Amino acid sequence: DIQMTQSPSSLSASVGDRVTITCRASQSISRYLNWYQQRPGKAPKLLIYAASTLQSGVPSRFSGSGSGTDFTLTISSLEPEDFATYYCQQSHNTQLSFGGGTNVEIK
Amino acid sequence: QVQLQESGPGLVKPSQTLSLTCNVSGDSISSGNYFWSWIRQHPGMGLDWIGYIYHYGRTYYNPSLKSRVTISVDTSKNQFSLSLNSVTAADTAVYYCARGTVAAAAFDSWGQGTLVTVSS
Repeated sequence: DIQMTQSPSSLSASVGDRVTITCRASQSISRYLNWYQQRPGKAPKLLIYAASTLQSGVPSRFSGSGSGTDFTLTISSLEPEDFATYYCQQSHNTQLSFGGGTNVEIK
Repeated sequence: QVQLQESGPGLVKPSQTLSLTCNVSGDSISSGNYFWSWIRQHPGMGLDWIGYIYHYGRTYYNPSLKSRVTISVDTSKNQFSLSLNSVTAADTAVYYCARGTVAAAAFDSWGQGTLVTVSS
């Protein structure tokens, strides 16, 4: 099984801040990495797929990078609606798995 | 615009079988570009992938649940289903159905989720 580790598990930030979340895979997954946003009480929403491709309709302040085992999700300037939990998910093989999540809180 | 909607009992007794159905509208479940998945989230916790199915019936399951899980598809009704047997309190969670893209295996559409509680 491929284990996905996110860091930090939580962070506090202010509106306008630049935020970076890291996801590390236990083995190389090439660029088979997707990112989701989940607001409280809501279903997750796909933000980025294949490591860096922005899903249709997602604001350009979100960006993803990385390959192999190390990946990052960056929010260039936090908006109030961005305070949420973010998850990475690997799709390298048929056994899919998610990271533990990063909770972005208001400072 | 595809929509997914979970349905099923919100309360299941220990040792019994949890059964949920996901109704898909706005897209044909027979589309070859997607697969159809179940994902759960324990209260206050992260996301756990349960398994997925292609329209032609091929399934893939999380190894930790494989002995208790069955996912099936009914293309005539445009829906797919989850069956989880021998449930315990540890299976209490919000269960989501989701559509996955074959190209990236990314979940691009989700149901709203349904809370299933396992309790006597």
